[in-house]
Amino acid sequence: DSGVTQTPKHLITATGQRVTLRCSPRSGDLSVYWYQQSLDQGLQFLIQYYNGEERAKGNILERFSAQQFPDLHSELNLSSLELGDSALYFCASSVGGFQAGELFFGEGSRLTVL
Amino acid sequence: DQQVKQNSPSLSVQEGRISILNCDYTNSMFDYFLWYKKYPAEGPTFLISISSIKDKNEDGRFTVFLNKSAKHLSLHIVPSQPGDSAVYFCAASVAKGNTPLVFGKGTRLSVIA
Repeated sequence: DSGVTQTPKHLITATGQRVTLRCSPRSGDLSVYWYQQSLDQGLQFLIQYYNGEERAKGNILERFSAQQFPDLHSELNLSSLELGDSALYFCASSVGGFQAGELFFGEGSRLTVL
Repeated sequence: DQQVKQNSPSLSVQEGRISILNCDYTNSMFDYFLWYKKYPAEGPTFLISISSIKDKNEDGRFTVFLNKSAKHLSLHIVPSQPGDSAVYFCAASVAKGNTPLVFGKGTRLSVIA
């Protein structure tokens, strides 16, 4: 158990819809990262928050947004969903604000867009 | 453009033998490398790392080798055990910059008893 909690574990929705994925980091970790893993792809970095502020941004689509709340949990919002958004979405956390180190991953949220 | 490449999608090894997983990178700025292991229905977990100031790092049955001139690293598992069957991801970063970890696509290792 990494200590990172993600909900929901599975989600099935239709194209054009909007979903919210939630992540609670390990106790004491200030950074939250979101990664997307599509079929046969590696983990693609989406966005990082550190202590409530956006710290780094990857190839995150404009239809996607995220935030980190004062209690340090984070939400990833995916809107106007397309078939290609079907993927595993991982949240990870770390103590510090830099990614050059060990990240602790949650079990992922599997999104299926039909 | 893939900056971290794991060219073998899968590898099958007999229990007790050595498993060698390979990873190549293209960005010469990378100076910190990690391996993560992922079981089905679980998130990736950190396995071992190496800084570019070293060419080898050992942790029990796991050893990572780094060849900077070839921009190549490898993970050796000796001896391989059935519980090592998982997907292994190579990742790289620039230690002193806030750049995201860049992951390879992973290699699925199957250790056969």
